[in-house]
Amino acid sequence: EIVLTQSPGTLSLSPGERATLSCRASQSVTSNYLAWYQQKPGQAPRLLIYGASSRATGIPDRFSGSGSGTDFTLNISSLEPEDFAVYYCQQYGGSPVCSFGQGTKLESK
Amino acid sequence: QVQLQQSGPGLLKPSQTLSLTCAISGDSVSSNSAAWNWIRQSPSRGLEWLGRTYYMSKWYNNYAVSVRSRITINPDTSKNQFSLQLNSVTPEDTAIYYCARMDIGGATRHFDNWGQGTLVTVSS
Repeated sequence: EIVLTQSPGTLSLSPGERATLSCRASQSVTSNYLAWYQQKPGQAPRLLIYGASSRATGIPDRFSGSGSGTDFTLNISSLEPEDFAVYYCQQYGGSPVCSFGQGTKLESK
Repeated sequence: QVQLQQSGPGLLKPSQTLSLTCAISGDSVSSNSAAWNWIRQSPSRGLEWLGRTYYMSKWYNNYAVSVRSRITINPDTSKNQFSLQLNSVTPEDTAIYYCARMDIGGATRHFDNWGQGTLVTVSS
């Protein structure tokens, strides 16, 4: 079973600052099979990044993803007020078919 | 544009069966480039993938080990929807349940469309 560990658990930043979120896998993950999601209270997760580095439709270019193997990163270049939310990474493959990280809460300082 | 609309009861007693339906618009449950999934979210377990159904010349199902003995996911081609049944629920099954589409036609794997979520509470 592939376990995804996200860090930090909570990240406190101000609008305009850069956010760097980490996702580490217990085993190597195919880059094509790593995605990032944003979730706001009362809403379903929203796809941000797929294939480790491709932005989903309508996602602003301040969001970028990178990484390979066991270490992946989501960067938000300059935080907007609407970016404060919880972020999850997700991998596909093996058993279980897919799994999610425990999330990073991005909060406004 | 794909939309997923969930329906089903939100309050159950222990030992009852959880039944939810996800109606699909903008795509087909029989598409050979999509898998139809159920995912739940709770404070204790986070986001947990439960299972999927998909069609690729025939129907396939995959289930998470944690619920394999209790879960059934079925497609309904006549109504273009799919369903979740989870038997013998306990309070530990209390969660928000989501249906979600995964594109399996290309090289990547991610959930690109989600239902609105259904809060299911199991309590006596």
